[in-house]
Amino acid sequence: NAGVTQTPKFRVLKTGQSMTLLCAQDMNHEYMYWYRQDPGMGLRLIHYSVGEGTTAKGEVPDGYNVSRLKKQNFLLGLESAAPSQTSVYFCASRGLGTGHSYEQYFGPGTRLTVT
Amino acid sequence: AQSVTQPDIHITVSEGASLELRCNYSYGATPYLFWYVQSPGQGLQLLLKYFSGDTLVQGIKGFEAEFKRSQSSFNLRKPSVHWSDAAEYFCAVGLTNFGNEKLTFGTGTRLTIIP
Repeated sequence: NAGVTQTPKFRVLKTGQSMTLLCAQDMNHEYMYWYRQDPGMGLRLIHYSVGEGTTAKGEVPDGYNVSRLKKQNFLLGLESAAPSQTSVYFCASRGLGTGHSYEQYFGPGTRLTVT
Repeated sequence: AQSVTQPDIHITVSEGASLELRCNYSYGATPYLFWYVQSPGQGLQLLLKYFSGDTLVQGIKGFEAEFKRSQSSFNLRKPSVHWSDAAEYFCAVGLTNFGNEKLTFGTGTRLTIIP
């Protein structure tokens, strides 16, 4: 199993450009998440999905959109990139249920720079 | 709403010394508790988790953590650190009822090991 994979690993955008980050998981997980990580701020939840075709806003959703058309994929879009979106983006997934299934599995991250 | 506090932004210890990283949470009930580790340039890896039962939990890489309900704490410990333990450590809280699809992360503690 590859676990959680993210594409691309690095990207540089100019202000106003758009892009899509792809997250894929092969663990048949119901829940998927997008976080951003900034120095001194830990991980902040952008959007998440509790199943195919569903999405919900997290803590910092402004400027981002997401889609979950297939269970294994979760896309994060930036329609008009801003320098404030320079960050490292992590995708995570977890299974359905309670207790030990609460563990989230993380991808390796995408480092995005907006100039 | 639940919250997580990691009071130490940066800790430096000598190789072979003991380690304790602090984590305090705010939540009306006993939450699910996690410690994750992030090596430079990598994603997050689960070290250990607490759901119920024995309040001292063992994790990977020789780490353990103790849940203390009276202090709302879940501190991470290791009796003797190795240079490879240099990383950033995140404590996370998961709810046990409504809203339990999400985790709340602390801001992290960066661990430096000196020879």
